[in-house]
Amino acid sequence: QAQLQESGPGLVKPSETLSLTCNVSGVSIYSFYWNWIRQPPGKGPEWIGSVYYTGSTNYNPSLKSRITMSIDTSKNQLSLSLRSVTAADTAVYFCARLQLGIRTFDIWGQGTMVTVSS
Amino acid sequence: SYVLTQPPSVSVAPGQTAEITCGGKNIRNKSVHWYQQKPGQAPVLVVYDDSDRPSEIPERFSGSNSGNTATLTISRVEAGDEADYYCQVWDINSDQYVFGPGTKVTVL
Repeated sequence: QAQLQESGPGLVKPSETLSLTCNVSGVSIYSFYWNWIRQPPGKGPEWIGSVYYTGSTNYNPSLKSRITMSIDTSKNQLSLSLRSVTAADTAVYFCARLQLGIRTFDIWGQGTMVTVSS
Repeated sequence: SYVLTQPPSVSVAPGQTAEITCGGKNIRNKSVHWYQQKPGQAPVLVVYDDSDRPSEIPERFSGSNSGNTATLTISRVEAGDEADYYCQVWDINSDQYVFGPGTKVTVL
């Protein structure tokens, strides 16, 4: 069955770059939009952005100046880079598949906790 | 950007009905989706397009959308329904995906 698995460092220093990857297995990476969503402790999810298998992206305007998302179809892998992080970027980061027809996130990874601290 | 509001918490006795609201300007014009999230887990879709259910979700979960408020209703509440619930919409004007702040459902 479909599985998404996020990976990356659990601790990042302020002003540095947060880099995460998401491995997609059990489902084709083609013909879907793949998303990054984060959830600060005790708060609701926040959509970060999406990337299509062609490499086309759509970012949350509040983060657009600091993020880059990419996709490697040969590896079935997504990537997220978030630059100049602060404590406000501390969150659980999820990758998720978008069902474009109904605009819902139907498959999620388990999430990875990232803490920004010196 | 589009803003969604939810009550922070709802408490309900087992066997009773829980109603969780999601407010937004003219939300009736949008498709509202609902997710259930238990501690340490990823969100799970329980209702989509206002009132449809994924096949694996019990019929006890239902939804509606009218005016400026969408509602998720959980009938015959069970202890296992205790979780955080989030509404979500796609804002076509900005092509952005928006989540509500969440409602914690406590089963008494």
